[in-house]
Amino acid sequence: QKEVEQNSGPLSVPEGAIASLNCTYSDRGSQSFFWYRQYSGKSPELIMSIYSNGDKEDGRFTAQLNKASQYVSLLIRDSQPSDSATYLCAVRRGYQKVTFGTGTKLQVIP
Amino acid sequence: DVKVTQSSRYLVKRTGEKVFLECVQDMDHENMFWYRQDPGLGLRLIYFSYDVKMKEKGDIPEGYSVSREKKERFSLILESASTNQTSMYLCASSLSVDGNTEAFFGQGTRLTVV
Repeated sequence: QKEVEQNSGPLSVPEGAIASLNCTYSDRGSQSFFWYRQYSGKSPELIMSIYSNGDKEDGRFTAQLNKASQYVSLLIRDSQPSDSATYLCAVRRGYQKVTFGTGTKLQVIP
Repeated sequence: DVKVTQSSRYLVKRTGEKVFLECVQDMDHENMFWYRQDPGLGLRLIYFSYDVKMKEKGDIPEGYSVSREKKERFSLILESASTNQTSMYLCASSLSVDGNTEAFFGQGTRLTVV
């Protein structure tokens, strides 16, 4: 079992719709959870971090964490073509060690 | 703005060569990381460092070593480059010792070993 699992996609959504990206992790001791966005040919950049169960909202983005189910998700409301990218889920386990999923490619169709 | 700078954007090296990848950050971050990114495998942690002269193995340290002589600089060394080390290498840094702050990435070095 992979430590951090994501569906590779592509996930295609029409412009203006809600995009839902999911991630599961295997280590129950994981403490911090991150969503990064990576445009093609570019480096990852952080868009959300979440540390406790529940929802965290930032603009059009909402991160959701359920530690009992070992599940973290990212919702993007009012999706725009500029949101088309690969979204990487990352989990901190242990001291400083951050493990990334393989990413989900999102395509927003105009 | 935090800046993480990797010394080269593209590198081509021959099998068996010793290769140095350099990374410098300008925000006095304690933590620095080296990842490689391959299609279908995602970002995999090679080594990280949480202080000068300190290093910890990541998930795939074999064939690599690192050096952190100064806080701002973290070097990745391929002792004897092999074709399976052809990859995109990404350096990152972060501030907090408890890991609860974001990592900032450099622009990446695409290494080809021939």
